[in-house]
Amino acid sequence: NAGVMQNPRHLVRRRGQEARLRCSPVKGHSHVYWYRQLPEEGLKFMVYLQKENIIDESGMPKERFSAEFPKEGPSILRIQQVVRGDSAAYFCASSPRGWETQYFGPGTRLLVL
Amino acid sequence: DQQVKQNSPSLSVQEGRISILNCDYTNSMFDYFLWYKKYPAEGPTFLISISSIKDKNEDGRFTVFLNKSAKHLSLHIVPSQPGDSAVYFCAARKSSSGSARQLTFGSGTQLTVLP
Repeated sequence: NAGVMQNPRHLVRRRGQEARLRCSPVKGHSHVYWYRQLPEEGLKFMVYLQKENIIDESGMPKERFSAEFPKEGPSILRIQQVVRGDSAAYFCASSPRGWETQYFGPGTRLLVL
Repeated sequence: DQQVKQNSPSLSVQEGRISILNCDYTNSMFDYFLWYKKYPAEGPTFLISISSIKDKNEDGRFTVFLNKSAKHLSLHIVPSQPGDSAVYFCAARKSSSGSARQLTFGSGTQLTVLP
């Protein structure tokens, strides 16, 4: 009974490169959420997706960030042209239905050099 | 504009005693509250939740109390165990559709249970 899977667990990028973070939700969960945690802070909502649809991206920076949750395969959070301020832990969560409890993955720690 | 606040960054408690973690919120639209526990280098783990129609929810050693008029909730852990040492996050959710799903988190409280 696998939980939420995220990979990679650690990612190092140089400024200007692209970062791709992957999230496989709990089997049977069709709702995915991405959160970001900066050092010494709580988690901040970024985006909420259902299969093939972005439902709420009110927490996403307007530029360089995008997310998708295709019909097949994991959800992807993509950060183009990374900057040092993107260094953070990125967590994915999933739920079977939108109003139910969100279960989190182990996170991807992104370090931008 | 921090809508969910955990004003104590850290708390130390002796093993076997009660741990009380506090959380305040400002947005009256929040109607569902959750507590998560987080160990270093891991994701948050769901502990317990409470709906605004209740004032108490209990699950084993964990009890959450909600005081809507004060916009305050607390998590009680009794008895505290060394394995409870972690960062505890309070989170809240609104009832409206669309953005209802997103959780708003506090900044966390580091609980240390001393043997």
